[in-house]
Amino acid sequence: QKEVEQDPGPLSVPEGAIVSLNCTYSNSAFQYFMWYRQYSRKGPELLMYTYSSGNKEDGRFTAQVDKSSKYISLFIRDSQPSDSATYLCASAQNAGGTSYGKLTFGQGTILTVHP
Amino acid sequence: EAQVTQNPRYLITVTGKKLTVTCSQNMNHEYMSWYRQDPGLGLRQIYYSMNVEVTDKGDVPEGYKVSRKEKRNFPLILESPSPNQTSLYFCASSPTLEGWGTDTQYFGPGTRLTVL
Repeated sequence: QKEVEQDPGPLSVPEGAIVSLNCTYSNSAFQYFMWYRQYSRKGPELLMYTYSSGNKEDGRFTAQVDKSSKYISLFIRDSQPSDSATYLCASAQNAGGTSYGKLTFGQGTILTVHP
Repeated sequence: EAQVTQNPRYLITVTGKKLTVTCSQNMNHEYMSWYRQDPGLGLRQIYYSMNVEVTDKGDVPEGYKVSRKEKRNFPLILESPSPNQTSLYFCASSPTLEGWGTDTQYFGPGTRLTVL
């Protein structure tokens, strides 16, 4: 079983829709939770991160972590065609963890927002 | 300009012919890492380095070697490439591991490797 699981989609939504992207993880030692966005033929770029549990909001994006259920979410409000990309979740342990420094990614979800 | 550079960007080679993919960053970052990306599998970490002369295995280290002799460079070495190492490779860097969650984690442009 992969330590971070992500539904690869693809996901297609109309412009303006609310998008929900989700991951689950199995390693209780994970403390850092990140979302990356990757446009076609480009390297990933860090979009959002959360440390431990809770929510974090940045403009149209909200990252959510529920450690009790080991569930990671990214919400995109008022989605735009420019949001079309692959979204990858990732997790890492805190300092002192046995694998501190190791970053584990989900499979990535391909999102298309059509006008 | 702050950046991570990788060379070559594209490489076609044959089984067993040793190759090196270079990675260099100009930001004095401590942490560097290599990933491979394959369809349906996402990004998988190959090796990472916390600082000079400090390296550790990621999820898929078999068939790869790395070295970190100086802070700016982190080459990925395939001693005897095989077709299952055909993939898209990314190098990344960040100032420290506490930089995980900031916008200071940089990925290179990628190297597309084909092993025949």
